[in-house]
Parts: sequence; structure tokens; C-alpha cells
Amino acid sequence: DAGITQSPRHKVTETGTPVTLRCHQTENHRYMYWYRQDPGHGLRLIHYSYGVKDTDKGEVSDGYSVSRSKTEDFLLTLESATSSQTSVYFCAISVVGANTEAFFGQGTRLTVV
Amino acid sequence: GNSVTQMEGPVTLSEEAFLTINCTYTATGYPSLFWYVQYPGEGLQLLLKATKADDKGSNKGFEATYRKETTSFHLEKGSVQVSDSAVYFCALIRNGTSYGKLTFGQGTILTVHP
Repeated sequence: DAGITQSPRHKVTETGTPVTLRCHQTENHRYMYWYRQDPGHGLRLIHYSYGVKDTDKGEVSDGYSVSRSKTEDFLLTLESATSSQTSVYFCAISVVGANTEAFFGQGTRLTVV
Repeated sequence: GNSVTQMEGPVTLSEEAFLTINCTYTATGYPSLFWYVQYPGEGLQLLLKATKADDKGSNKGFEATYRKETTSFHLEKGSVQVSDSAVYFCALIRNGTSYGKLTFGQGTILTVHP
């Protein structure tokens, strides 16, 4: 267990509503990531963080924002959910360096109806 | 940019069969290469990795060799078990200032029958 907790684990929401997913780590790692998993696409990076208040966009960032006000928490917000954002969302943390390795949370299954 | 291509699935095998899942990559520089496994209802777990050319990663009977000349990192196992049924992802990290961002292949579903 890499000490990563995602919440909620499942959510159904309506189109147009804002949604926030939370990732909490107990490892004190600097680097955190949000990926989405869709059939035929593998996992794609949405946003990442390289420190408190330091974040940047990934490959599929449109419609998403993130915040990291403390080391242990990384929040992903869907500002106005759309059906195309129905997906499984994974948070990851990473040790970056000579022995880079990422650890993943259990995932959040989000359905936008 | 960076990309990873995995063989199309799903792959269905009988127990004790030989497994190969092909993975090729495109990247600038010298990436680190990974295989992750996702069991039903769970997150991804690192299966094995290799950080430089000709390195062989191995774990739980699975192996993959970093082949720079063919830009490949094929996953192999000599005798699969029912418990190996899962989704397998090939991935890379571009070394240097990549902030540890992973680029994934599309995943290959493996089902092993008794």
C-alpha cells in the first residue's frame, strides 16, 4: 500500500455541475498526478504537481483544474461536468530521480449523466 | 512527442501457455521503460522496469528487455497462471526534466483460462 487515498471512489453527477475529486497521500512525496483511464487510450495525464502551489497541465487538461495547498492533498475539479468526462480517474505519486517510480491510488469512477 | 504502442488485445491463453505482449515506443533521448499491471477493480501496480538499453526487468516470472535498436520493451512470461489475468500497460518516462510524467500505451487485457 503506497499510502494514497482517493475520494470518493464512485460518483454519479449531472451534466453542468462542478465536481471535485480528492487525492491524499501519507508519503510526503513532492510529485503528484491526475490521470484518466479510458478504453483504447490507456491512461492520459490531466494535470500534475511538483510542489505546493506548483502545478502544470498535462495532455488532456481542458475542462479540469487542480489545486495543491499542502503536500498531502491534490484536488481535481471538473468545473462543469460533461458526459465526455465520464471516466476512471487515478491519482499517482512519484519518486523522481535516478530510480523514478510511480504509485497509484485505487481510482475514482465518475459517471456524468 | 513521446508515444507507446502496445499490441492489440484482448489476449486469451490457457494456463501454462507462453505469453508475449509487444510494446514499442517513440521518445526523445533515453527514456525509462515500465510495465504496470491492473487487476480487476484495482489501481495500477508496477510490475517491472528498465532504465537503460539492454537492461532486463523481471518480477513474478515476467521479463522485459530494453531494446534501443528496435525501440521495444516486450513483456514475456514462460508459463501463465489464471491469477495473471489483468490489464497490462507499457509506459515510459522521458528522463531529464520530465517531472516523472508517464506516457502509457493503450493497455492489453489478458485472460488466462484453467
